[in-house]
Amino acid sequence: DTEVTQTPKHLVMGMTNKKSLKCEQHMGHRAMYWYKQKAKKPPELMFVYSYEKLSINESVPSRFSPECPNSSLLNLHLHALQPEDSALYLCASSQGTGGRDEQYFGPGTRLTVT
Amino acid sequence: GQNIDQPTEMTATEGAIVQINCTYQTSGFNGLFWYQQHAGEAPTFLSYNVLDGLEEKGRFSSFLSRSKGYSYLLLKELQMKDSASYLCAVRDRRSNDYKLSFGAGTTVTVRA
Repeated sequence: DTEVTQTPKHLVMGMTNKKSLKCEQHMGHRAMYWYKQKAKKPPELMFVYSYEKLSINESVPSRFSPECPNSSLLNLHLHALQPEDSALYLCASSQGTGGRDEQYFGPGTRLTVT
Repeated sequence: GQNIDQPTEMTATEGAIVQINCTYQTSGFNGLFWYQQHAGEAPTFLSYNVLDGLEEKGRFSSFLSRSKGYSYLLLKELQMKDSASYLCAVRDRRSNDYKLSFGAGTTVTVRA
């Protein structure tokens, strides 16, 4: 199983809503990542969890709150978002043990903030 | 920080060869990756280079020169399904953490 799953696939939310994005992998990977990707732009790193601990936060606004309940799950809690936050949110995972450690990406959640 | 440059677009004919160049600047180089991303889909891993030289994998090859901060991805025997965006990504070591930064991507269009 080399799959990273993300739910939901699409999400439309208002600026006052609270919602969560979910990501799951069963490859035994110990590093998990959230990226934001705008149209025709590269993915931009938001957060990295290593062994269930937040290791990198790329100065992301506090309206985005990550959570790693266990080694297989990664959540991104959203609150009071802005229209400019509309983007494709990608989750990825990797072994986290050095070496090649390539990242496997999920299909993403396409978020629209109205 | 990272500074990763690659061409915006390239067009080639089915069966031909295309070479996508990538230059980068980093203070803690820890590997270079190439990813393929079809429109509306997730990036998928293609290749990894950490030492100088050429890595070959079927129709795809990737080259790295660390001293020049340069890599290329070579796509041979192009097929229509190779039409996609190709992302050069550099892994940078920061303390005990490793960050992957992506270039803007090169959109390759394969024509019949």
